[in-house]
Amino acid sequence: QVQLVQSGAEVKKPGASVQISCEASGYTFSNYYIHWLRQAPGQGLEWMGIFNPSGGTTTYSQKFQGRVAMTRGTSTNTVYMEVSGLRSEDTAVYYCARDRLIGDYVLAHWGQGTQVLVSS
Amino acid sequence: DIQMTQSPSSLSTSVGDRVTITCQASQDITNFLNWYQQKPGKAPKLLIYEAVNLETGVPSRFSGSGSGTHFTFTISSLQPEDVATYYCQQNDNIPYTFGQGTKLDIK
Repeated sequence: QVQLVQSGAEVKKPGASVQISCEASGYTFSNYYIHWLRQAPGQGLEWMGIFNPSGGTTTYSQKFQGRVAMTRGTSTNTVYMEVSGLRSEDTAVYYCARDRLIGDYVLAHWGQGTQVLVSS
Repeated sequence: DIQMTQSPSSLSTSVGDRVTITCQASQDITNFLNWYQQKPGKAPKLLIYEAVNLETGVPSRFSGSGSGTHFTFTISSLQPEDVATYYCQQNDNIPYTFGQGTKLDIK
């Protein structure tokens, strides 16, 4: 079955960077886009960007352009997202998610979430 | 960005009641509208995709309708396990945006 397993919680100081991983299993990794989203405490869901594991191409929400980078591990079925220049407003649970079908952009499979706390 | 306006923001109803949530898009998104359920401390779960299609394994008491800019999500007979926050989301244009959520409680 499809599984997305994310890395553990992080505590970072303002201005630092954080890298979160999302390891996929149970399907052909290169065939499906991976999305990244976040949810601040008590708030709704915010889509951050999309990564194509096949070609390594990315599309980011304009809000995060220049501050977010999505990459693929060289020999594993893992996607990474790095957020730089962290500020307190970046405190959130970050999720990776996979399309339901190839290229349909419906978020059918989700990781368990990674808590990131930004605090001095 | 496409704005998704969801209402109500919260709802308290009785077991067995019919529940309706609406979602309005700021522009025509045809049928690129999905509904998710999120329970506390958990990742969202896809319930309805492309406005009207029930995801595999989701109980048939959940349904969706609408197209263009106006969409509706319905639970035909509320069950205790349906206590959650529900979100609509458009996947027509990047960035894919969500409604602000509807928190559903049992009276």
